[in-house]
Amino acid sequence: AQSVTQLDSHVSVSEGTPVLLRCNYSSSYSPSLFWYVQHPNKGLQLLLKYTSAATLVKGINGFEAEFKKSETSFHLTKPSAHMSDAAEYFCVVSATGGYNKLIFGAGTRLAVHP
Amino acid sequence: GAGVSQTPSNKVTEKGKYVELRCDPISGHTALYWYRQSLGQGPEFLIYFQGTGAADDSGLPNDRFFAVRPEGSVSTLKIQRTERGDSAVYLCASSLTGGENEQFFGPGTRLTVL
Repeated sequence: AQSVTQLDSHVSVSEGTPVLLRCNYSSSYSPSLFWYVQHPNKGLQLLLKYTSAATLVKGINGFEAEFKKSETSFHLTKPSAHMSDAAEYFCVVSATGGYNKLIFGAGTRLAVHP
Repeated sequence: GAGVSQTPSNKVTEKGKYVELRCDPISGHTALYWYRQSLGQGPEFLIYFQGTGAADDSGLPNDRFFAVRPEGSVSTLKIQRTERGDSAVYLCASSLTGGENEQFFGPGTRLTVL
């Protein structure tokens, strides 16, 4: 069965410093992996996706993630945090290798301080 | 264009009552998904429709939960004999087709069972 583990429930950074949100996955086959962001009172938005092409995936708003099969990780990074990045971030794996059934991690709440 | 909409945005009901939650997908999207997000957790898959039929209902927690999509567009999630444990945000998503297509999420319906 597929699953994801987000290693930090809360991450706090200062504006302008790097962001690292950690995610490990478990999958019996080559997975499709995603990061979604959820701002308060807004719908979930897709940040980026990995579907067995390039291992370094670039997403929206300057975020990127690297798929590391040897470490079963898919960490999300951004070189410089902005106040608007404060939100809940979810690492997600697709149960079928496609988009049909998404399995979400518990989420990481990112706080950005001035 | 219009995104996924869900009504009502908030629903408060009493234990034992029946509720219906509505989802209007993006026009032309044949795939529709329901997820449930409990407080402090990531969304959990409930059911997936391809057109009018439920292609995967493995996430429905028990037979009190039922969903329909009679014309392949709007979907209704129905919960009978609500329990306090049903309190959560119910999210709907749609995608152009199933498979490898991005799911677009609605803002959710917050259900509170007193």
